[in-house]
Amino acid sequence: KAGVTQTPRYLIKTRGQQVTLSCSPISGHRSVSWYQQTPGQGLQFLFEYFSETQRNKGNFPGRFSGRQFSNSRSEMNVSTLELGDSALYLCASSHGTSGPQETQYFGPGTRLLVL
Amino acid sequence: AQSVTQPDIHITVSEGASLELRCNYSYGATPYLFWYVQSPGQGLQLLLKYFSGDTLVQGIKGFEAEFKRSQSSFNLRKPSVHWSDAAEYFCAVGEGRGDDKIIFGKGTRLHILP
Repeated sequence: KAGVTQTPRYLIKTRGQQVTLSCSPISGHRSVSWYQQTPGQGLQFLFEYFSETQRNKGNFPGRFSGRQFSNSRSEMNVSTLELGDSALYLCASSHGTSGPQETQYFGPGTRLLVL
Repeated sequence: AQSVTQPDIHITVSEGASLELRCNYSYGATPYLFWYVQSPGQGLQLLLKYFSGDTLVQGIKGFEAEFKRSQSSFNLRKPSVHWSDAAEYFCAVGEGRGDDKIIFGKGTRLHILP
């Protein structure tokens, strides 16, 4: 079974631009969560989508948004990029049923550098 | 609010030695607890998780962790480390519904001496 894939793997943008990151979950998984990882703040939860609906949201400004398509693929968008948005963005997929057997599987991440 | 504390930022052990990584959490109810490992340039891999039941949890790669409610701890252990265990380890707590929103600790970087 193929794992979680994220594209692109690396990205360089300049301040003020916007960026879209993509995540394809494991086949059959309906939940996709996004995390930001930085050296200073560590791993922080951005949001979770389940069946095309945002089900959970972390404490990030409105510049960070996402969506999920009917095939469970998810995109994350960051508008008006700031230097502090430079980070590794990880997505994770799961069935989303929140039972004890649930496990989140993480992708390799997209490393974003904002200049 | 939930929080996770990993008191050790870096730990160095010799290959073949035993390992214990500390994790303390703050959560009002019975937590869902996880340990993840991240190798350089890689995503996170789940080592083990605790939801309920037996407080000693076995994971992959020879790791185990023990949930101690009285100490609010979930320490990760391995009896004999291998050079390939060098990585960053994250303890995490999940909200009540499961693991769709996870709060991570800051991580412990493990260094292995040959």
